[in-house]
Amino acid sequence: SQKIEQNSEALNIQEGKTATLTCNYTNYSPAYLQWYRQDPGRGPVFLLLIRENEKEKRKERLKVTFDTTLKQSLFHITASQPADSATYLCALDPDSSASKIIFGSGTRLSIRP
Amino acid sequence: ETGVTQSPTHLIKTRGQQVTLRCSSQSGHNTVSWYQQALGQGPQFIFQYYREEENGRGNFPPRFSGLQFPNYSSELNVNALELDDSALYLCASSLDLGSNQPQHFGDGTRLSIL
Repeated sequence: SQKIEQNSEALNIQEGKTATLTCNYTNYSPAYLQWYRQDPGRGPVFLLLIRENEKEKRKERLKVTFDTTLKQSLFHITASQPADSATYLCALDPDSSASKIIFGSGTRLSIRP
Repeated sequence: ETGVTQSPTHLIKTRGQQVTLRCSSQSGHNTVSWYQQALGQGPQFIFQYYREEENGRGNFPPRFSGLQFPNYSSELNVNALELDDSALYLCASSLDLGSNQPQHFGDGTRLSIL
């Protein structure tokens, strides 16, 4: 079956450390993978997009990797801060048809001071 | 630049009723998608509209229908409401069609079915 899996348990990280979130998918061949941040009671906010032919993408303290062989994306936040606490969602285009985006269930990240 | 706005923010209905949710896309965006998000879950794709035509649909029954207007605003209609329809309904617009387009979300309509 087709599915996207993210760390099901919440992730608790000490401030200043690097947080690493995982997104695994099966039976898809996405051309793109996106990461979003969602705060309680708010809609998701786009963070980064990575293409299938890109190994790594960076934006400030954020880094995303995309391994199409492992069918996995890793999302890193370096020098984490309490303000980074949120739920992080990965999303992909399941068939490159541009007709829909599929989201994972998200990983809740808590950064403690 | 005005972002995506949704109305109403909260709504309470009873089983069997019908509901219409509204979304104003971000300026210049011609594509809108609707999602249902249950508590603790990721958004589930309902359907997408591009230039007033439905462009793709997720695994939702026909009682979920939509419209996109010439100004690219959009509506989600749900008939014969069921208890399981209780969720946060999110609208997202993008600049154009394509899975490489970031989606810009509104803050959703929280629908509760009694």
